[in-house]
Amino acid sequence: AQSVTQLDSHVSVSEGTPVLLRCNYSSSYSPSLFWYVQHPNKGLQLLLKYTSAATLVKGINGFEAEFKKSETSFHLTKPSAHMSDAAEYFCVVSDPGTYKYIFGTGTRLKVLA
Amino acid sequence: DAMVIQNPRYQVTQFGKPVTLSCSQTLNHNVMYWYQQKSSQAPKLLFHYYDKDFNNEADTPDNFQSRRPNTSFCFLDIRSPGLGDAAMYLCATSRTGTGEAFFGQGTRLTVV
Repeated sequence: AQSVTQLDSHVSVSEGTPVLLRCNYSSSYSPSLFWYVQHPNKGLQLLLKYTSAATLVKGINGFEAEFKKSETSFHLTKPSAHMSDAAEYFCVVSDPGTYKYIFGTGTRLKVLA
Repeated sequence: DAMVIQNPRYQVTQFGKPVTLSCSQTLNHNVMYWYQQKSSQAPKLLFHYYDKDFNNEADTPDNFQSRRPNTSFCFLDIRSPGLGDAAMYLCATSRTGTGEAFFGQGTRLTVV
């Protein structure tokens, strides 16, 4: 069965400092993994995706993530946080057997001025 | 340019009064999903369609129904909304459940 675990429910960083949001996955197959961002009262926007190509994935707004099979991790990083990055972030794995997307519990990122 | 469109963005309904939320897509994707998202929680899958094949989650209340009359449209019907049904409802699509899912902007449902 597919699952994802987001290790931090809340992360606070100062503007201009690096961001690290952690995600570990469990998968019976070679997984497809995604990071989505959600701003208040909005839908989910795809930041980046891993679908078995390059292990270092670059996304929008300066975010990137590295797929590490040995650690079953897919952590999201950004070198320098911006105030506009404050939002909820979800790590997601797809289950091709059922066409479902399995969500982590989310990490709320707070960016301090 | 919008690919998954949900209407309305905000819906207020009375306790017990049936309400319908709508979703349309311009992506021609096979799979459409309805999620319920409560405050500070992850989206919770209610059901999904693969083409016309309907798949209900085991814990989705009977109060929630869905219709997909064609590829482009999908509706969520709440037969008798309770206060606990107040939430954001998200529609999403995917081509085959392997690439990314595309989400609409959501409908915020308030029950009074």
